[in-house]
Amino acid sequence: GAVVSQHPSWVICKSGTSVKIECRSLDFQATTMFWYRQFPKQSLMLMATSNEGSKATYEQGVEKDKFLINHASLTLSTLTVTSAHPEDSSFYICSALGQETYEQYFGPGTRLTVT
Amino acid sequence: SQQGEEDPQALSIQEGENATMNCSYKTSINNLQWYRQNSGRGLVHLILIRSNEREKHSGRLRVTLDTSKKSSSLLITASRAADTASYFCATHLTGGGADGLTFGKGTHLIIQP
Repeated sequence: GAVVSQHPSWVICKSGTSVKIECRSLDFQATTMFWYRQFPKQSLMLMATSNEGSKATYEQGVEKDKFLINHASLTLSTLTVTSAHPEDSSFYICSALGQETYEQYFGPGTRLTVT
Repeated sequence: SQQGEEDPQALSIQEGENATMNCSYKTSINNLQWYRQNSGRGLVHLILIRSNEREKHSGRLRVTLDTSKKSSSLLITASRAADTASYFCATHLTGGGADGLTFGKGTHLIIQP
């Protein structure tokens, strides 16, 4: 149980285009999901907290207009990187919060490369 | 900002030896967690230790927590080549359970066969 998936696993896009990444909780409902970003050889940095049915909460320094988050259902949150630039190339990882245990279950990550 | 700081940044040991990694944090916590990440992959949750616990075991893993020093250690005994990975400690930002995690910088562990 408590499986979180991400789609796609990796994506290569051209500078200026937008990319959508999906995060799904497969066997449980998650009112809260989190988006993290990890640059090569670095740690994970929390980008935003995604709450079902309400606006996401962004961490300081994360542009909300650039990283659009939608949490339209209890099992799906999406992160859209708008007008992507090479500096947005990174590993994006989501997690879903278990409703009873408050444990975070992590997805396998999405590697974004912007050329 | 990064709350957790691990040391060492990198560690290379022989298979069969024990590996110890340390983590320090700055604010009050509800719990501290350790994760493993294989190169370019997702995170694997290893163990969670609550603020009122001092030591916890799980298989070959032993975690200690010293809230007075705001530090934790992860010991992997009888290391195996498959333990080669990056290890991160993580705490909740506000000390609660329903918030995003703050990760340390990680320790890259290499087990030489």
